[in-house]
Amino acid sequence: EPEVTQTPSHQVTQMGQEVILRCVPISNHLYFYWYRQILGQKVEFLVSFYNNEISEKSEIFDDQFSVERPDGSNFTLKIRSTKLEDSAMYFCASSRGSTTEAFFGQGTRLTVV
Amino acid sequence: KNEVEQSPQNLTAQEGEFITINCSYSVGISALHWLQQHPGGGIVSLFMLSSGKKKHGRLIATINIQEKHSSLHITASHPRDSAVYICAVRLTWLIFGTGTRLQVFP
Repeated sequence: EPEVTQTPSHQVTQMGQEVILRCVPISNHLYFYWYRQILGQKVEFLVSFYNNEISEKSEIFDDQFSVERPDGSNFTLKIRSTKLEDSAMYFCASSRGSTTEAFFGQGTRLTVV
Repeated sequence: KNEVEQSPQNLTAQEGEFITINCSYSVGISALHWLQQHPGGGIVSLFMLSSGKKKHGRLIATINIQEKHSSLHITASHPRDSAVYICAVRLTWLIFGTGTRLQVFP
């Protein structure tokens, strides 16, 4: 069964460093998303991406964040200069359409020290 | 103000019991998702529904669009059902509830 895959599963980085989280969405899906979940809190929307551009983003998704689809398969989230409060589980999701079911990856746990 | 409210926050059950988790929302939506999150953190989609009722194995999900309310039922609960169950409503992205932590004991 097709699935969304995320790498790495866990990343530890020093404050101020850049990190890139990687996702391979399901191959025939057209809509891609990043969500995050701070420990003990609910999952929050970061950004959606369609047709090679950001379609919507939340207030959390500030200038420190960027997304890219560098080739036909990968979808990345970059955090330019990490802060302690960026520590969270980051989930990638994809869907075939804007209103169809979204499928989630297993998440990347980012720890900023 | 939370746009998606779930109840209860925590639920403990004995194996075999019938479980109900409730979700209320305050925004206009195109669909509602029920998701399962295990201790490792991964999220699995259980249902997406925009009207009526869906059933998959021992899981049943219902939605009442007029009342802005959905329920997730688990029949004949089993310890392996222990997880966090999350309701999320779909605008063009998902707005998540805080989840219901379910523990089923043998």
